Amino acid sequence: AQTVTQSQPEMSVQEAETVTLSCTYDTSESDYYLFWYKQPPSRQMILVIRQEAYKQQNATENRFSVNFQKAAKSFSLKISDSQLGDAAMYFCAYYEMNRDDKIIFGKGTRLHILP
Amino acid sequence: ETGVTQTPRHLVMGMTNKKSLKCEQHLGHNAMYWYKQSAKKPLELMFVYNFKEQTENNSVPSRFSPECPNSSHLFLHLHTLQPEDSALYLCASSQDLQGDYGYTFGSGTRLTVV
Repeated sequence: AQTVTQSQPEMSVQEAETVTLSCTYDTSESDYYLFWYKQPPSRQMILVIRQEAYKQQNATENRFSVNFQKAAKSFSLKISDSQLGDAAMYFCAYYEMNRDDKIIFGKGTRLHILP
Repeated sequence: ETGVTQTPRHLVMGMTNKKSLKCEQHLGHNAMYWYKQSAKKPLELMFVYNFKEQTENNSVPSRFSPECPNSSHLFLHLHTLQPEDSALYLCASSQDLQGDYGYTFGSGTRLTVV
């Protein structure tokens, strides 16, 4: 079964610094999608970034970028110039096409921003 | 403002009470989902609806009863809950059952069972 692993339950970063959140997943498929969701204290899960597995180019969204290593099944999230508003739970997620199933989420990483 | 609205935001209920959670979306999505989020556990998918029809029930106890009167509204009826049912209940929606563009989530209902 597909699994998503986030090995860092909590992380801290100084404001304005860069932080990388790790995510690995297990799959035997080649066509799938990966996501990073942010859940701030307001509790709404917000889609931060999306990666299509057949695209080699790493997705970026402003200060957020990913390092997608397909062979290693790794999908890390880099946050540059960290801001206080980045403090949240971050969830890595996986979705596979051609399979009657739903998005699979990791357990999350809580990110603290130190002023 | 989120496209998925959940009410109430907080709910405290006794084990003998009956209450309902409401989820509403006006995104034109046809699929809607209920998730349970407990501390230090992965998100647990509870129910899936597509075009008002339930397509998935992940062995959820019968004290949780979903209802989907139309594609825009989803309810979760609660009765005779247990303290371990205390959690954040999240509603989500998507255009259809394909998740390639992710789901849109609401802000959840924080449920406390006393």
